[in-house]
Amino acid sequence: DAKTTQPPSMDCAEGRAANLPCNHSTISGNEYVYWYRQIHSQGPQYIIHGLKNNETNEMASLIITEDRKSSTLILPHATLRDTAVYYCIVRVATGANNLFFGTGTRLTVIP
Amino acid sequence: DVKVTQSSRYLVKRTGEKVFLECVQDMDHENMFWYRQDPGLGLRLIYFSYDVKMKEKGDIPEGYSVSREKKERFSLILESASTNQTSMYLCASSLAAGVYNEQFFGPGTRLTVL
Repeated sequence: DAKTTQPPSMDCAEGRAANLPCNHSTISGNEYVYWYRQIHSQGPQYIIHGLKNNETNEMASLIITEDRKSSTLILPHATLRDTAVYYCIVRVATGANNLFFGTGTRLTVIP
Repeated sequence: DVKVTQSSRYLVKRTGEKVFLECVQDMDHENMFWYRQDPGLGLRLIYFSYDVKMKEKGDIPEGYSVSREKKERFSLILESASTNQTSMYLCASSLAAGVYNEQFFGPGTRLTVL
């Protein structure tokens, strides 16, 4: 599975959009981009995933560049409850189902 | 909602003790996973199971074993606990391969080995 690179930490003002970048320059054609987050003292929580098209759900939007070498997770109106560590994961959708979690980005939403 | 529960939130054991960590999921998922999480290292996969009585080693299986006698239950066993096994242990489950593998995680068990 391709490795990912994320900034270790970011701040965002409450109510503003939080844009979390992820680089995955070695991504293969059949690998998806997944995002999870982990709020303190809880298990990770799935947010969104995509292959090459931009995706949106009730939690976030995922923007994947045309060459698929990077992506951005967007939380449109960050709240204090969005303070968490965000993990970007790249892997195929089939086969062994384990996910490689790196160290992620610690997002702090500031009042 | 999918629910993954773990038997304990906090556990303190002594070196050399046998430790059982239990995980139960209620959504009839085929796959179940055990991870450990340590500061600066992210989550690392210990073992996973894709069916009853089936198991596969993950990235760091040494010092651990697992048991899956029923589909909904996946146990992690530390045969002889050591201080370097002090960690947060996370269980997860997902549907079988062939679908996008959203994993659902339990709340974690923070194990301290003295």
